[in-house]
Amino acid sequence: QVHLVESGGGVVQPGRSLRLSCAASGFTFSNYGMHWVRQAPGKGLESMAVISYDGSNEYYVDSVKGRFTISRDNSKNTLYLQINSLRAEDTAVYYCAKDFGTYSGLLDYWGQGTLVTVSS
Amino acid sequence: DIQMTQSPSSLSASVGDRVTITCRASRGLNNFLAWFQQKPGKAPKSLIYAASSLQSGVPSKFSGSGSGTEFTLTISSLQPEDFATYYCQQYIGFPITFGQGTRLEIK
Repeated sequence: QVHLVESGGGVVQPGRSLRLSCAASGFTFSNYGMHWVRQAPGKGLESMAVISYDGSNEYYVDSVKGRFTISRDNSKNTLYLQINSLRAEDTAVYYCAKDFGTYSGLLDYWGQGTLVTVSS
Repeated sequence: DIQMTQSPSSLSASVGDRVTITCRASRGLNNFLAWFQQKPGKAPKSLIYAASSLQSGVPSKFSGSGSGTEFTLTISSLQPEDFATYYCQQYIGFPITFGQGTRLEIK
């Protein structure tokens, strides 16, 4: 079965950087697009970025363009999110999610999330 | 970006009730609309895609309908495990966007 496990979260000072990882198993990772979605404490879901199955296409929500970078290593079945210049408003649970297709936008499986807390 | 608006934002119901949640989009989605269920401290779970297609393993008590800009999620015969927050999500284009959520509480 599909299994997604995020890691890399923690408490980080404002202005620092962080790289989140998402280890995938139970499906052919290289065939599917992947997403990062975050949820601030007590708030709703917000898409951050998506990458196509082969890494050739990426899309970022406007609010994180230039600070967030999504990438993948299909040889390691792993998705990444590099977050630079962290701000207090980046505090959230970050979920990786599998796309139903190569780059469709339909999410079918989610990881359990990793909490990023930005605080001095 | 496409704005998604759910109503109501919260809803109280009793075990055994049937409830309906509405999701409206700021522009037409055809049927590129999904519904998710999220319980406290857990990841969202996919319920419905293409507005009305049930994800594998999701019980038929959940049903979706609609097209264009207005969609509904109906849950029949509520059970204690159904009390959660529900989100709609459009995927006709990027960025994908979610409704603000509807919190379904036990009356």
